[in-house]
Amino acid sequence: EVQLVESGGGLVQPGGSLRLSCAASGFIFSDYWMTWVRQAPGRGLEWVANMNPDGSEKYYVGSVEGRFTISRDNAKNSLYLQMNSLRAEDTAVYYCGRTKWFDSWGQGTLVTVSS
Amino acid sequence: QLVLAQSPSASASLGASVKLTCSLSSGYKFYAIAWHQQQPEKGPRFLMKVNYDGSHNKGDGIPDRFSGSSSGAERYLTISSLQSEDEADYYCQTWGTGVHGVFGGGTKLTVL
Repeated sequence: EVQLVESGGGLVQPGGSLRLSCAASGFIFSDYWMTWVRQAPGRGLEWVANMNPDGSEKYYVGSVEGRFTISRDNAKNSLYLQMNSLRAEDTAVYYCGRTKWFDSWGQGTLVTVSS
Repeated sequence: QLVLAQSPSASASLGASVKLTCSLSSGYKFYAIAWHQQQPEKGPRFLMKVNYDGSHNKGDGIPDRFSGSSSGAERYLTISSLQSEDEADYYCQTWGTGVHGVFGGGTKLTVL
């Protein structure tokens, strides 16, 4: 069974940093594109970033470019999102998803940016 | 610019059928899309991918009541024999060359 489990969310002050993790199991992680998506409170889904299987290609939504970094460790079956210079508008539940079609989703981790 | 348009809301009666629409912006009518369901207070769930020709590939465990179709730049999700647990937000999503991820605004389905 495919499982994706996010962790690392929490409360952080504006300008602070957080690192999210997504632990994958039930499939060959190193074969798949992986993606981060977020959902602000009461809002729709927003694609944030994705990465190809070997990590050589990374893409970001414009609003996080230069502040967020997606990475992966295929040996540990894990996906990461390093978030720096956080802003109030980054407050959201962050989900990891498998492939560009999100054929599997994690349960999400809440990031709250507030003073 | 690749944009996916969805009606903000839809409603149908218990046991009836409903057809949700996702419209691809001009120039992108050949793109496939995926449908995702988000029940209240839950994370999203992949329902299916719908191709330009109307063929679709459903996710594991998705009931036969859910089906996809296509016409031109429109992609559809039809839910038959509506059940109370089908009350949810439904999002369409796609990607393409130079566009790595885009979601529609979502349709909130109310089961009456």
